[in-house]
Amino acid sequence: AQSVSQHNHHVILSEAASLELGCNYSYGGTVNLFWYVQYPGQHLQLLLKYFSGDPLVKGIKGFEAEFIKSKFSFNLRKPSVQWSDTAEYFCAVIHSGGSYIPTFGRGTSLIVHP
Amino acid sequence: ETGVTQTPRHLVMGMTNKKSLKCEQHLGHNAMYWYKQSAKKPLELMFVYSLEERVENNSVPSRFSPECPNSSHLFLHLHTLQPEDSALYLCASSQAMARGAGANVLTFGAGSRLTVL
Repeated sequence: AQSVSQHNHHVILSEAASLELGCNYSYGGTVNLFWYVQYPGQHLQLLLKYFSGDPLVKGIKGFEAEFIKSKFSFNLRKPSVQWSDTAEYFCAVIHSGGSYIPTFGRGTSLIVHP
Repeated sequence: ETGVTQTPRHLVMGMTNKKSLKCEQHLGHNAMYWYKQSAKKPLELMFVYSLEERVENNSVPSRFSPECPNSSHLFLHLHTLQPEDSALYLCASSQAMARGAGANVLTFGAGSRLTVL
């Protein structure tokens, strides 16, 4: 069965610091990749997605992610975080040969200090 | 509001109670999901319905019973739960589960926080 690994479970940063959250998946075929975000007290929502084409994907609020097929990775980045980026971040993967149901990682808790 | 509404938002129940969680989506989606979110664990897929038919039952104990009467409504019936079932239960919907659908982008509800005493 495919799996999604988020190695950073808790990240604490100061405002204006750069952010990179790791995501690795185990499936070797064609994949669709997502980052979802859950702000405190709010619902999970889509941050960005990769289907095909340019492996560097830009999302909302200045976030971007890069798909590196050879590394089975889809890391999330932001050059300068803000206090309002404090949230839980979830990576998810769908592999095209399966049921099209996303598999989620365990999430990374990001705290940004003002 | 996301277009996916879950009720109740909070539920406390004893191990012998019977209760239900409700999910309603107003997005015209045809697939609906139940996920369990526990602290320090990945989101656990429980059930998936596509066009009102169950397409996934991820080895969930029988004390959880889903019901999907139509494409807009999804229920999770709870019976004789255990304290370890305490968690946030998330409902989600998506437009399609078909090949080439550009993958399933899920829209989540706010969740129902369940506490089992």
